[in-house]
Amino acid sequence: DADVTQTPRNRITKTGKRIMLECSQTKGHDRMYWYRQDPGLGLQLIYYSFDVKDINKGEISDGYSVSRQAQAKFSLSLESAIPNQTALYFCATSDPPGTGSTGELFFGEGSRLTVL
Amino acid sequence: QKEVEQDPGPLSVPEGAIVSLNCTYSNSAFQYFMWYRQYSRKGPELLMYTYSSGNKEDGRFTAQVDKSSKYISLFIRDSQPSDSATYLCAMSAGGANSKLTFGKGITLSVRP
Repeated sequence: DADVTQTPRNRITKTGKRIMLECSQTKGHDRMYWYRQDPGLGLQLIYYSFDVKDINKGEISDGYSVSRQAQAKFSLSLESAIPNQTALYFCATSDPPGTGSTGELFFGEGSRLTVL
Repeated sequence: QKEVEQDPGPLSVPEGAIVSLNCTYSNSAFQYFMWYRQYSRKGPELLMYTYSSGNKEDGRFTAQVDKSSKYISLFIRDSQPSDSATYLCAMSAGGANSKLTFGKGITLSVRP
């Protein structure tokens, strides 16, 4: 099984619908992240969480919300999806950089979302 | 100016070529430098990691960091079709609240 699992892998929805993307990890990391990837724009950070009680906005949080249900679970919601939220979404986990850790991010395989 | 700038590409080279991928950055506090490789329909995976300045070699791959010029490079020797992927540079200052800052990525195609 993958260390970082995202569901669903593909989703087509309509404008105005509520969508939830789920992420679970078996790495035992405290830190979890949601990124969005668009062609030519690279990876943009949406939200991140350094532990279960910590939630922080990233560069592009408008229109998104998150929930950290447990150390291993971090979900991303689009309350009312719009077409420009069509993108590839990645969940990632990490340890903090420092003794014994590079701070490397471990990514899931992505969730492709299309909003019509 | 964005914190991390990466040549946009795409880049197409013949098999066996030496490839040079580059990023510049503006934050002098950055000290952890990484290169990620992302195959089509997959998540990025760490390819090379360097702490502070210097070179690091791993097989056909060499990562270089020049902190005085705020410039990092990834060299691929004897490039192979299997190296065809998107390469993203990433860096952080380290510390309890640090996060990785990514370049936009460059797509490399190695022609047989």
